[in-house]
Amino acid sequence: EPEVTQTPSHQVTQMGQEVILRCVPISNHLYFYWYRQILGQKVEFLVSFYNNEISEKSEIFDDQFSVERPDGSNFTLKIRSTKLEDSAMYFCASSVAGRQPQHFGDGTRLSIL
Amino acid sequence: AQSVTQLGSHVSVSEGALVLLRCNYSSSVPPYLFWYVQYPNQGLQLLLKYTSAATLVKGINGFEAEFKKSETSFHLTKPSAHMSDAAEYFCAVSDQTGANNLFFGTGTRLTVIP
Repeated sequence: EPEVTQTPSHQVTQMGQEVILRCVPISNHLYFYWYRQILGQKVEFLVSFYNNEISEKSEIFDDQFSVERPDGSNFTLKIRSTKLEDSAMYFCASSVAGRQPQHFGDGTRLSIL
Repeated sequence: AQSVTQLGSHVSVSEGALVLLRCNYSSSVPPYLFWYVQYPNQGLQLLLKYTSAATLVKGINGFEAEFKKSETSFHLTKPSAHMSDAAEYFCAVSDQTGANNLFFGTGTRLTVIP
């Protein structure tokens, strides 16, 4: 069964550095999402992406965040200048259409030192 | 605005006993509702979904959930717990915009006692 893949599984970065989290959505899916889960808290929506542009973003997704689909298969989340509070598990998801269930990757654990 | 509340951050049941995980939703429009399961060090796996068809929804691994509009609930049940059911369970509601963003509850950790 096709699945969403995320790399790396764990990323350790110094505060203030840029980090790029990578995702390969399921190939025939058109909608892409990033969520994050701070340790012990709920999964929170960050951003959705469709037709090569952001569809919606939460208040968490401020100017330090950006997303890109650089080619036909990858979907990336960039955090420009990381802060301690960015430490979390970041999940990528994709869906075939806007109202279809989202399929999640296994996540990238981001640790900011 | 959409939100879900999961009552009970931890639930323990004996192997073979009924599993009941509670979820109540708040939505300004008819909701789409989902249950996801998260095993340790893994991502979120869809268990089942309600999208305004049948109110009793059957999912994978023997789980089911019933949409009750009068109670704004979407509780998850399984008649007989198995050791492999031990995991974190998340209820989520969709905002039904074009992108269908999900709003998650805080999760319920299910422990199955042998």
